[in-house]
Amino acid sequence: NAGVTQTPKFQVLKTGQSMTLQCAQDMNHEYMSWYRQDPGMGLRLIHYSVGAGITDQGEVPNGYNVSRSTTEDFPLRLLSAAPSQTSVYFCASRRTGQETQYFGPGTRLLVL
Amino acid sequence: AQSVTQLDSHVSVSEGTPVLLRCNYSSSYSPSLFWYVQHPNKGLQLLLKYTSAATLVKGINGFEAEFKKSETSFHLTKPSAHMSDAAEYFCVVIPLGSARQLTFGSGTQLTVLP
Repeated sequence: NAGVTQTPKFQVLKTGQSMTLQCAQDMNHEYMSWYRQDPGMGLRLIHYSVGAGITDQGEVPNGYNVSRSTTEDFPLRLLSAAPSQTSVYFCASRRTGQETQYFGPGTRLLVL
Repeated sequence: AQSVTQLDSHVSVSEGTPVLLRCNYSSSYSPSLFWYVQHPNKGLQLLLKYTSAATLVKGINGFEAEFKKSETSFHLTKPSAHMSDAAEYFCVVIPLGSARQLTFGSGTQLTVLP
């Protein structure tokens, strides 16, 4: 099992550009989520999904869109990047009914 | 809302000395509590978790944590620090009724001096 994978590892964007952060898991986990990590603030939940076709907002959803067309993939879209979105983004997954989440290696995003 | 507070943003210890990373939670009930570790430029790895079984929880790499309901604490300890323990540590709570969504503390950066 590869676990949770994320691409790209690092990305630089200009303000106003769009991009998609990819996340995939091969553990057949129903629940997937996106977090952003900023210094001194821990990780904050952006969006999550409890299964294919179902998504919901977390603590900091503004400026981000998600979709879940398959169990394996959960992409995060930035439609118009802003410098405030400079952060490290983590994707995570877990099995329904369990509490332990498995994290991907992260994507470092710099918005100029 | 239930939350978790890590009392120290930075902790520095000498190699071979004990480690104590402090975490307090606010909750009317006994939540599920976790410690995750993040090594530089790496993802998060689960160290240990408390889910209302034994109050003393043993994790990987010699770490353990004790759940103290009377003090609403879940401090992480290790008897003897190793250079490889240098990392950032996050205390995490799953509040009651949150659909198992994680709430993270702000993190504690552990430095291990030779």
